[in-house]
Amino acid sequence: AQSVTQPDIHITVSEGASLELRCNYSYGATPYLFWYVQSPGQGLQLLLKYFSGDTLVQGIKGFEAEFKRSQSSFNLRKPSVHWSDAAEYFCAVGALEYGNKLVFGAGTILRVKS
Amino acid sequence: DARVTQTPRHKVTEMGQEVTMRCQPILGHNTVFWYRQTMMQGLELLAYFRNRAPLDDSGMPKDRFSAEMPDATLATLKIQPSEPRDSAVYFCASGLHHTGELFFGEGSRLTVL
Repeated sequence: AQSVTQPDIHITVSEGASLELRCNYSYGATPYLFWYVQSPGQGLQLLLKYFSGDTLVQGIKGFEAEFKRSQSSFNLRKPSVHWSDAAEYFCAVGALEYGNKLVFGAGTILRVKS
Repeated sequence: DARVTQTPRHKVTEMGQEVTMRCQPILGHNTVFWYRQTMMQGLELLAYFRNRAPLDDSGMPKDRFSAEMPDATLATLKIQPSEPRDSAVYFCASGLHHTGELFFGEGSRLTVL
């Protein structure tokens, strides 16, 4: 069965500090991987995606993620967090073989302290 | 700026009433997905369509939920009769099958009393 694990429910970081949000997946096919961000009362906005090729992908708002096949991980990073980054972050996995249905992790709520 | 449009944004209804949520996908997209978001279950896939054909609705309670795409510009999710446990935010998302990327609407927040 396909599953996505985000082990951290909440993370608090200081403004200007670096950030890493963890994501591990279990999938029976070659996965596509995504990170989405959700602000309160809003829909999900795509931050970045990995389909193939370079395992380090760059996204919007200064985020990046690295795909590590051996660890089944796709961790999200940002070198310097801004207060506006406070939101909930979702990792998702899909595959063409499964009709591109996305399976989401439970989400990580990021709090930024000044 | 192309976006997925969902209506209504908020709906409060009483148990037993019919609820219809509507979604206008981004023009040209050939896949449409319905997700439900709750605190307890997170984001759950309810149904999805490709080229307007329903491909998977295994996540949907069949006895009360139905999803349709009467045309390429409209997807609907209907609950009849509604129950308090249906209270959630319902998201519609559209995309292109060959890219796998989904674009989400802002959601319809449903409260069933």
